[in-house]
Amino acid sequence: DGGITQSPKYLFRKEGQNVTLSCEQNLNHDAMYWYRQDPGQGLRLIYYSQIVNDFQKGDIAEGYSVSREKKESFPLTVTSAQKNPTAFYLCASISRDLTEAFFGQGTRLTVV
Amino acid sequence: GQNIDQPTEMTATEGAIVQINCTYQTSGFNGLFWYQQHAGEAPTFLSYNVLDGLEEKGRFSSFLSRSKGYSYLLLKELQMKDSASYLCAVRDPKGSYIPTFGRGTSLIVHP
Repeated sequence: DGGITQSPKYLFRKEGQNVTLSCEQNLNHDAMYWYRQDPGQGLRLIYYSQIVNDFQKGDIAEGYSVSREKKESFPLTVTSAQKNPTAFYLCASISRDLTEAFFGQGTRLTVV
Repeated sequence: GQNIDQPTEMTATEGAIVQINCTYQTSGFNGLFWYQQHAGEAPTFLSYNVLDGLEEKGRFSSFLSRSKGYSYLLLKELQMKDSASYLCAVRDPKGSYIPTFGRGTSLIVHP
């Protein structure tokens, strides 16, 4: 079955560490997105990529980095520069006819 | 810029009908999505409207009025499992077609 897979589901990070969240899709979608969700805040866009080897900053890109070396993969790195990284992170891709955004199951990141 | 407004919380009784409203102000418009999200889980797709009118899918219906910048999600024959957050998202062609989400409406269904 096609879909988007995020891993890990839960991640704990120590202060000052970089961590990378994985997002893989086998839907053959060109566009992929990373959102962050905090309680009561809805989804906020971190980065997006509309084609391989290209990506753009979203509304809250500071402290994050991404890469898009393959169509299937769009990993997100949360760097030590991100001051408040504890959140629920969601990866999504958009169908070719632009009518549906598919989400991965999410990664809950906690700073310890 | 984009502004999407939804009520923060609503409550309803099992078996009843509830309407969740969403108003938006965007520089352009290319579709409106509704998603359901249970606590701790990823959003799941409910509906997509790009033309004015009502789209019905079983117990769920979604309505759009582009001239008013307004949409609603109608849930009929409410069940306890419908307790969730409902997210409205608008796609703006001037924003690279990226869905911009409202803060979501938390629906509590009680017996």
